[in-house]
Amino acid sequence: DAKTTQPNSMESNEEEPVHLPCNHSTISGTDYIHWYRQLPSQGPEYVIHGLTSNVNNRMASLAIAEDRKSSTLILHRATLRDAAVYYCILWERGYGGSQGNLIFGKGTKLSVKP
Amino acid sequence: DSGVTQTPKHLITATGQRVTLRCSPRSGDLSVYWYQQSLDQGLQFLIQYYNGEERAKGNILERFSAQQFPDLHSELNLSSLELGDSALYFCASGRDRADEQYFGPGTRLTVT
Repeated sequence: DAKTTQPNSMESNEEEPVHLPCNHSTISGTDYIHWYRQLPSQGPEYVIHGLTSNVNNRMASLAIAEDRKSSTLILHRATLRDAAVYYCILWERGYGGSQGNLIFGKGTKLSVKP
Repeated sequence: DSGVTQTPKHLITATGQRVTLRCSPRSGDLSVYWYQQSLDQGLQFLIQYYNGEERAKGNILERFSAQQFPDLHSELNLSSLELGDSALYFCASGRDRADEQYFGPGTRLTVT
């Protein structure tokens, strides 16, 4: 099974960019890379996802390495509200797209200092 | 508010009992996902249904089962409950198998 590896925790200062890394060296060609975050006492929240190309949305950017064995979630200007656990997830499709397995990493706890 | 609803919010029951957790997806979403989050195991994917059919399976115990009904709501049945089943159970919905998922507020299950 493809797995992800993330640092346990990271710290950032408010208003500064944050780069959250994720390693997925056993990723297969059809695996999508998803990022979610979970604020305290809430359900996870979708952040961004991609397959091969870098992706941008209003929340963040996703930079995917050329060999796809790693990716980086970029928060351009961290706010106190961004303090959360960030999960890097591989959506592993089975043959024919009919079965698959979602595999969560342990997550990175991001602290944001004022 | 994600648009996904889960009932009940809290559930307290005894070991050996059976419970049913309910989830209503966002309007238009065909996929429903179930997750378990406990302190020692983190967030674990259990099972996914797409338009009434099972599509993906994670580390779901044989004592657990789920189904998705024609109106697309889903139920997660947990039986022969053990103390270790105490956890937060989240439901999420999405439009496609690889699409973003929207999570409900969760059901907190306490087994005593």
